[in-house]
Amino acid sequence: EVQLVQSGAETKKPGESLKISCKGSGYSFSTNWIGWVRHMPGKGLELVGVIYPPDSDTRYGPSFQGRVTISADKSISTAYLHWSSLKVSDTGMYYCVRQATYFDYWGQGTLVTVSS
Amino acid sequence: IVLTQSPGTLSLSPGERATLSCRASQTVSVRYLAWYQHKAGQAPKLLIYDASSRATGIPDRFSGSGSGTDFTLTIKRLEPEDFAVYYCQQYGRMPYTFGQGTTVEVK
Repeated sequence: EVQLVQSGAETKKPGESLKISCKGSGYSFSTNWIGWVRHMPGKGLELVGVIYPPDSDTRYGPSFQGRVTISADKSISTAYLHWSSLKVSDTGMYYCVRQATYFDYWGQGTLVTVSS
Repeated sequence: IVLTQSPGTLSLSPGERATLSCRASQTVSVRYLAWYQHKAGQAPKLLIYDASSRATGIPDRFSGSGSGTDFTLTIKRLEPEDFAVYYCQQYGRMPYTFGQGTTVEVK
């Protein structure tokens, strides 16, 4: 059974750094692109970006380019989403997704709250 | 590619038919369009991919159609568990984009 298990909720202050994780199991991690989708309160879904674990080819959504870094460690089947300096506007639920062209599996979500 | 969903909210009763629209600002290549269902407190769930193929385990009351720039998700007879937010997504061209969502609510 394919599973994407994400790290727990985080509360941070503006300017702090953060890295959240997503561990894949039940499939060959290097076979698929894996990525992140944001859902902000009262808003729709937005692609943060995706990464191909075998060569770390990464593509970002335009709102996130330069703001976050996506990485993956194929040896432990884990993808990461990293902020070096959080803003209040980064508050939201972040879902890990497996890409099979479409997003066929979703993690349970990691709630990120940024508040002073 | 900008996806515009209509209506924003659909107020229906269980047993009624729901028709949701998704219009793209440019042609979606190879019908690379998906529909997801999102309930509060849960992760979104894939319903339809490639415009009309049902994902594993999705009941046949859900169907997708369309091509080019106009796509439709139809729920034949609404069950109580179908009241949720529905998003379309194109994955034919990066950046993959989502529509703003249609809320199907109980009338």
